[in-house]
Amino acid sequence: DQQVKQNSPSLSVQEGRISILNCDYTNSMFDYFLWYKKYPAEGPTFLISISSIKDKNEDGRFTVFLNKSAKHLSLHIVPSQPGDSAVYFCAARGLYNQGGKLIFGQGTELSVKP
Amino acid sequence: GAVVSQHPSRVICKSGTSVKIECRSLDFQATTMFWYRQFPKQSLMLMATSNEGSKATYEQGVEKDKFLINHASLTLSTLTVTSAHPEDSSFYICSAGQTGGRGHQPQHFGDGTRLSIL
Repeated sequence: DQQVKQNSPSLSVQEGRISILNCDYTNSMFDYFLWYKKYPAEGPTFLISISSIKDKNEDGRFTVFLNKSAKHLSLHIVPSQPGDSAVYFCAARGLYNQGGKLIFGQGTELSVKP
Repeated sequence: GAVVSQHPSRVICKSGTSVKIECRSLDFQATTMFWYRQFPKQSLMLMATSNEGSKATYEQGVEKDKFLINHASLTLSTLTVTSAHPEDSSFYICSAGQTGGRGHQPQHFGDGTRLSIL
């Protein structure tokens, strides 16, 4: 049972344009959501997060939107840069989770073309 | 920012060998660390939650006797793959949370260990 889903395995965007990565979840008890960026053969790097009490969080070029009624979150990157090319994972954590463990989506590979 | 160090980055060894992977939180204390496994083109799958001073909590389907976890201090957790076989070849990644994973603090990840069993 995939509780966190990223339905797009890949996304290609032109440099300077907006990248929108999507993530859906099924468990209404998730209260904290995170986005990580990952390069091959490296560990994930934390990008941005959002609490379930908010619907938007912004940090520089990165903005995360949360739509609780739709159980959907998205990561917007604007403007996109070639260095943003990587695999992006969304993750969720439950309100009464077991010690803080995260549930990850399958990842979306973003390619930003110059 | 928070730094998690994982060592070694790559291991190549013969079948039957036991391999130890270390995960250290360098600038914060982590009461809880997590061990993940990633297969090519797939997501990170949580293997176990490592609790300082107590037994690890394993996810369903993960063999406790195969993957030994020790969390002896607030800055160090180790994963030992015992009697490794080719099917254990994978990318193993650890993570740590600054407040034991509770509260709204992100987990920070090590750079992973590529394990290849011949």
